Amino acid sequence: DTGVSQNPRHKITKRGQNVTFRCDPISEHNRLYWYRQTLGQGPEFLTYFQNEAQLEKSRLLSDRFSAERPKGSFSTLEIQRTEQGDSAMYLCASSLSGGVKTQYFGPGTRLLVL
Amino acid sequence: DAKTTQPPSMDCAEGRAANLPCNHSTISGNEYVYWYRQIHSQGPQYIIHGLKNNETNEMASLIITEDRKSSTLILPHATLRDTAVYYCIVLNNAGNMLTFGGGTRLMVKP
Repeated sequence: DTGVSQNPRHKITKRGQNVTFRCDPISEHNRLYWYRQTLGQGPEFLTYFQNEAQLEKSRLLSDRFSAERPKGSFSTLEIQRTEQGDSAMYLCASSLSGGVKTQYFGPGTRLLVL
Repeated sequence: DAKTTQPPSMDCAEGRAANLPCNHSTISGNEYVYWYRQIHSQGPQYIIHGLKNNETNEMASLIITEDRKSSTLILPHATLRDTAVYYCIVLNNAGNMLTFGGGTRLMVKP
């Protein structure tokens, strides 16, 4: 399978714990995006990378959230001191940076904070 | 990026064509119309996109009106597996974030 992959698929944690999610994009894609989706809502943009550079961050990305893409391939999204309001599906997408930048999504990581 | 308006829900009989409308009356000349769908508990799936001309691929057809203020996604022979939320999104090619509205919840019934 050469699509976007995300790990883990599900994560249950206790409030106050730190969690980290991983996204592996489609191999030739140099753009990588993170979105968050709460129950009953559409996905909301969090941030995106072009290669290893983080080029845009949403106001939704509080200082407890940090995303990295150190070698321009996979990316990690870390949430520190989780809160119950962080419970959501975290989605990753990737695209090319030239031409039509169609974004292809992974299956998501579902986070439940107890 | 232009806003889109979609009906919140639609039903379709299995085997019939599903026609999902989208209004984007404030679309700019350099903005594309994208369609994604999201089956329950899965990530959004890209379906099709277009700029001015009608487009067709193995999944669907996209019909864009001449004034580009509205479009219709057509699933020619809907199956039960097409039950999903369908999102119409308008985005210029310099744009980086997809803005998802409420979408249309399509229920395909036997």
